[in-house]
Amino acid sequence: GAGVSQTPSNKVTEKGKYVELRCDPISGHTALYWYRQSLGQGPEFLIYFQGTGAADDSGLPNDRFFAVRPEGSVSTLKIQRTERGDSAVYLCASARLGGYEQYFGPGTRLTVT
Amino acid sequence: AQTVTQSQPEMSVQEAETVTLSCTYDTSENNYYLFWYKQPPSRQMILVIRQEAYKQQNATENRFSVNFQKAAKSFSLKISDSQLGDTAMYFCAFMKPGGGADGLTFGKGTHLIIQP
Repeated sequence: GAGVSQTPSNKVTEKGKYVELRCDPISGHTALYWYRQSLGQGPEFLIYFQGTGAADDSGLPNDRFFAVRPEGSVSTLKIQRTERGDSAVYLCASARLGGYEQYFGPGTRLTVT
Repeated sequence: AQTVTQSQPEMSVQEAETVTLSCTYDTSENNYYLFWYKQPPSRQMILVIRQEAYKQQNATENRFSVNFQKAAKSFSLKISDSQLGDTAMYFCAFMKPGGGADGLTFGKGTHLIIQP
């Protein structure tokens, strides 16, 4: 079946602008994660959804970052007033209920100029 | 909080050789999961192998195997008969059990280059 998809693949925006990044998980996967991968680093956890609710948002760096998953499937990561330091690859992953194996999407490369 | 350390930023071996990537971690948990992910230039993270901490037997997947030393908190990846397609970033990752909160904790990665 289809894997995790993320759109857009690349996004270039100006400092101060608002951006939305979308993640389509594998059908039937109830768990959804967002990670941020800066250049030369491993991915860092941002937020975890179980169903529609954010079960753990402890990794969000500040209140400019927000994520939703209104129907328990597609998720959107929203970044307000973008800063150059937000430039990174944003990865999404999904997993089955009770499963510990995460399946990753190809990521969105965000560049803030 | 958990930490994962990969001390080899880059490794290079000849095709068909065996290579071992190192990973150590720090945790106060007794039960947890450990993973090795491969990330080629396409950015897609691909699960290579996983190990449950309660299992003493080391996991193997075809040419990939791990050496899991729980007391030493060490989790190395051995790739046998390396192939050009193994060239990629490799990340070691840790996860607590119980529903996924906190997500995966990754190391900084090792860039593995397989030379023809």
